[in-house]
Amino acid sequence: RKEVEQDPGPFNVPEGATVAFNCTYSNSASQSFFWYRQDCRKEPKLLMSVYSSGNEDGRFTAQLNRASQYISLLIRDSKLSDSATYLCVVNLGSGNTGKLIFGQGTTLQVKP
Amino acid sequence: EAQVTQNPRYLITVTGKKLTVTCSQNMNHEYMSWYRQDPGLGLRQIYYSMNVEVTDKGDVPEGYKVSRKEKRNFPLILESPSPNQTSLYFCATATVNRVRSYNEQFFGPGTRLTVL
Repeated sequence: RKEVEQDPGPFNVPEGATVAFNCTYSNSASQSFFWYRQDCRKEPKLLMSVYSSGNEDGRFTAQLNRASQYISLLIRDSKLSDSATYLCVVNLGSGNTGKLIFGQGTTLQVKP
Repeated sequence: EAQVTQNPRYLITVTGKKLTVTCSQNMNHEYMSWYRQDPGLGLRQIYYSMNVEVTDKGDVPEGYKVSRKEKRNFPLILESPSPNQTSLYFCATATVNRVRSYNEQFFGPGTRLTVL
């Protein structure tokens, strides 16, 4: 089993749709969680950190479920500009604080 | 302007010819890391450094070396490149918070390496 798994998609949705991605992780000692966005083989950029209580930034909501070991990203009112690959990132804790595991990414295509 | 720079951006080389990809940051970040990105495999961590003179292996360190002699630079060295090291390479930096986990990573623009 991969340490961090994402459905690669692609997710094809119309503008205005709500779409959700999940990411599962295998190491229960994982401490930090992030969603990054990557456009067309450019460098990844932080979309949002994921906090235990869940957090929201505009149209984006991130949630963490430690019991089931997954994080989620919800995008409401999708825009064409949201088309990108979304990378789930997990920082292993317990002495491995520098080690990061990326999911392979979920591709979102928002269509007019 | 805060930035992470990588050089070269594109490189085509031949098997066995030593090369170095440089990474430099002007944000005074403690943490630096190298990744490679391959289709279907995503980003995989090669090496990381929590501070000067401290480096650790990531998931795929074989065939690579790094050094962290000064805070701003973290070069990636391929002593004897092979075709399976053809990939897109990213350098990233971050601050480290009080509980010794890191914050947002800032990535360089990437280096596309082809080994023939």
